[in-house]
Amino acid sequence: GAGVSQSPSNKVTEKGKDVELRCDPISGHTALYWYRQSLGQGLEFLIYFQGNSAPDKSGLPSDRFSAERTGGSVSTLTIQRTQQEDSAVYLCASSSSMGFSYEQYFGPGTRLTVT
Amino acid sequence: AQRVTQPEKLLSVFKGAPVELKCNYSYSGSPELFWYVQYSRQRLQLLLRHISRESIKGFTADLNKGETSFHLKKPFAQEEDSAMYYCALKQGAQKLVFGQGTRLTINP
Repeated sequence: GAGVSQSPSNKVTEKGKDVELRCDPISGHTALYWYRQSLGQGLEFLIYFQGNSAPDKSGLPSDRFSAERTGGSVSTLTIQRTQQEDSAVYLCASSSSMGFSYEQYFGPGTRLTVT
Repeated sequence: AQRVTQPEKLLSVFKGAPVELKCNYSYSGSPELFWYVQYSRQRLQLLLRHISRESIKGFTADLNKGETSFHLKKPFAQEEDSAMYYCALKQGAQKLVFGQGTRLTINP
């Protein structure tokens, strides 16, 4: 079946503009995660959705970042008033609560460049 | 605080040589650890998990609670092992905390 998909694959935006990044998780996966991957910073956790529970937003770096997950499926990560330091690859992952290891399946990422 | 440390950002070894990617963690409970790998132009994917005690692509990793380590090892490196490797610690029900990653390069 289809894996996690993300769109757009690349996004170039001007400093100060808002951007929306989309993630389509694997069908049936109850958990969805957003990460940021940047040089020298590794893989930084941003936010985690699990079913109907309140999301874990502990990794969001500032109030310019927000995310929502509609209908327990598709998620959108929004960055308002983008800054140059927001440039990174944004990864989405999903996992199922079935099984014992909760393997996370990653999407291809969205490369965001803020000019 | 729960943390994963990968002390080497870059590691370069020759083909056929042994390779060890270091991972140390801090966790107060019973840890569950993973290695994820990202090959060039591919998605990040699970390589192995300590709970399964498996060997994948010749790689193994043993959890050492005394040293709080989960180093990834392979006795004979191959060129196709060149990739970015991340060690990860399960936090809570399903969340993962990742290390900063090690870029492994296998020289011919």
